[in-house]
Amino acid sequence: AQSVAQPEDQVNVAEGNPLTVKCTYSVSGNPYLFWYVQYPNRGLQFLLKYITGDNLVKGSYGFEAEFNKSQTSFHLKKPSALVSDSALYFCAVRDGEVVNFNKFYFGSGTKLNVKP
Amino acid sequence: EADIYQTPRYLVIGTGKKITLECSQTMGHDKMYWYQQDPGMELHLIHYSYGVNSTEKGDLSSESTVSRIRTEHFPLTLESARPSHTSQYLCASSDFYEQYFGPGTRLTVT
Repeated sequence: AQSVAQPEDQVNVAEGNPLTVKCTYSVSGNPYLFWYVQYPNRGLQFLLKYITGDNLVKGSYGFEAEFNKSQTSFHLKKPSALVSDSALYFCAVRDGEVVNFNKFYFGSGTKLNVKP
Repeated sequence: EADIYQTPRYLVIGTGKKITLECSQTMGHDKMYWYQQDPGMELHLIHYSYGVNSTEKGDLSSESTVSRIRTEHFPLTLESARPSHTSQYLCASSDFYEQYFGPGTRLTVT
């Protein structure tokens, strides 16, 4: 079965400190992995993706994520958090099986709070 | 900014009314999706479409129905709204890789 786990409901970090939002996944084939951010009363905005190649991917607003195949993880990181980064973050995986290739599986979301 | 639109953005309606939530995209994507999301909570896939005249039910059972007569248009209909339908509904489309989301419709059924 395909699934995504975000083990932390909430992450608190001080402005200027590095942040990490964790994500682990389970998928039968090669995973396509994504991070999205959601601000209140808005849809999801795409941050970054891993398809193939370099395990460290860079995305929008200074975010990056590291793909670790052995640990089946895709943690989101940023070297220096901003108060404006406070939002809800979702990790997603695209099914590697050809039959269900079009379905995305989302984690339960992690609320990031960045305090001044 | 993704070219995917949802109307209305907010809707308050009484029990028993029929409603249609509109979703349109101008990117020419074949694949489109509807998700239901309670505020600040996880997303639940309720419907998806591979292309024109193709629709499938998602992982969460829903009393809503969808249609896909044109590539760019993927409306969702509730024949008889109930308070349990109160939620946010997100529409998305995808190319070969990521999904692009609309701004959502916040539905309240009184």
